[in-house]
Amino acid sequence: DAGITQSPRYKITETGRQVTLMCHQTWSHSYMFWYRQDLGHGLRLIYYSAAADITDKGEVPDGYVVSRSKTENFPLTLESATRSQTSVYFCASSAENQPQHFGDGTRLSIL
Amino acid sequence: QKEVEQNSGPLSVPEGAIASLNCTYSDRGSQSFFWYRQYSGKSPELIMFIYSNGDKEDGRFTAQLNKASQYVSLLIRDSQPSDSATYLCAVTGGTSYGKLTFGQGTILTVHP
Repeated sequence: DAGITQSPRYKITETGRQVTLMCHQTWSHSYMFWYRQDLGHGLRLIYYSAAADITDKGEVPDGYVVSRSKTENFPLTLESATRSQTSVYFCASSAENQPQHFGDGTRLSIL
Repeated sequence: QKEVEQNSGPLSVPEGAIASLNCTYSDRGSQSFFWYRQYSGKSPELIMFIYSNGDKEDGRFTAQLNKASQYVSLLIRDSQPSDSATYLCAVTGGTSYGKLTFGQGTILTVHP
């Protein structure tokens, strides 16, 4: 089925470890986005991508790395996880200047 | 000043009433405006978008946009308990083309 898929849905890891969150969309949307959602802060943009091999920082990029070698995939990597990165992470995609559609999210806990 | 502001609520309305959710934004060049609904533990779900001044209706939902006042609202008619959720206002265009800026959301509770 067409759509946007995030994996894993839940992840528990330890501080200092590297963790990668995956995002895959089948709509061939040019834009893809990563958000984190925390109580008291709402949804905050981490990184976004306008096309394959084009990425840019959002509001809270520190501690995160992204890549986009293929249009359909947009992985988010925490290179050395910290407790402050415990959050719910949402991936979204859109065609240019069209509404964004969200994946189901990844709930990440860092102990 | 926050770029997109919403009253956090909670907004409580009785079943069958009209729920009115409001949002203001600071970027006068903003071009596109979205309302998302988010149930607890779920992802945001698009319910309405509006690009032009005026009203846009879709079933029980009406989005209203006033660019001069930098104000967008969402009306939910005949509110149902299933409408109980957090409603997120999002804005794009202007200086942040392609990126959404979200408000913090308004919690709506519809009680029987």
